[in-house]
Amino acid sequence: GAGVSQSPRYKVAKRGQDVALRCDPISGHVSLFWYQQALGQGPEFLTYFQNEAQLDKSGLPSDRFFAERPEGSVSTLKIQRTQQEDSAVYLCASSLVTGEQYFGPGTRLTVT
Amino acid sequence: AQSVTQLGSHVSVSEGALVLLRCNYSSSVPPYLFWYVQYPNQGLQLLLKYTTGATLVKGINGFEAEFKKSETSFHLTKPSAHMSDAAEYFCAVSDRGSGNTPLVFGKGTRLSVIA
Repeated sequence: GAGVSQSPRYKVAKRGQDVALRCDPISGHVSLFWYQQALGQGPEFLTYFQNEAQLDKSGLPSDRFFAERPEGSVSTLKIQRTQQEDSAVYLCASSLVTGEQYFGPGTRLTVT
Repeated sequence: AQSVTQLGSHVSVSEGALVLLRCNYSSSVPPYLFWYVQYPNQGLQLLLKYTTGATLVKGINGFEAEFKKSETSFHLTKPSAHMSDAAEYFCAVSDRGSGNTPLVFGKGTRLSVIA
């Protein structure tokens, strides 16, 4: 079946622009995670949803970052007024309640 | 808070040689431990995981890892490296007694395989 998909795969934004990154989880997966992976680093947790409820957003680096999952399926990570330090790969993962996390291919964001 | 340390940001082995990628963790509760592989421009793929039970865990592509509580380690091994094993490998820990919680990753080890 289809895996986790993310769009766009690549995004170039000028500093100060707003961006929206989309994640389509595996159908039926209750949990959805967002991670940020800087160049040469491991992924770092941003936020976590169970269905439409955002249970943990402790990893969001600033109030410019906002995530939503209004219908418990597709999720959007929004970054307002992008800064150069926001340049990274943004990974989405989904899972069943008791299962392992399946990762999408990521969105590479470059802020110029 | 948990943390993961991967010793060696880059490991190079000859084709057919033993692969050993090191991972040490810290966790205040019994950990769930994972190894993921990442190929260029792709997401992470789960190689194997330890939750409870048998401490020697076998995964895909001939990889295995052993959970050693006394050493707080979860090293990844493969008896014979193949060219297709060249990739970035990440060790991760989950601390809340469930596999379905945010993961804490190490910084990764890049594996090169020399013909």
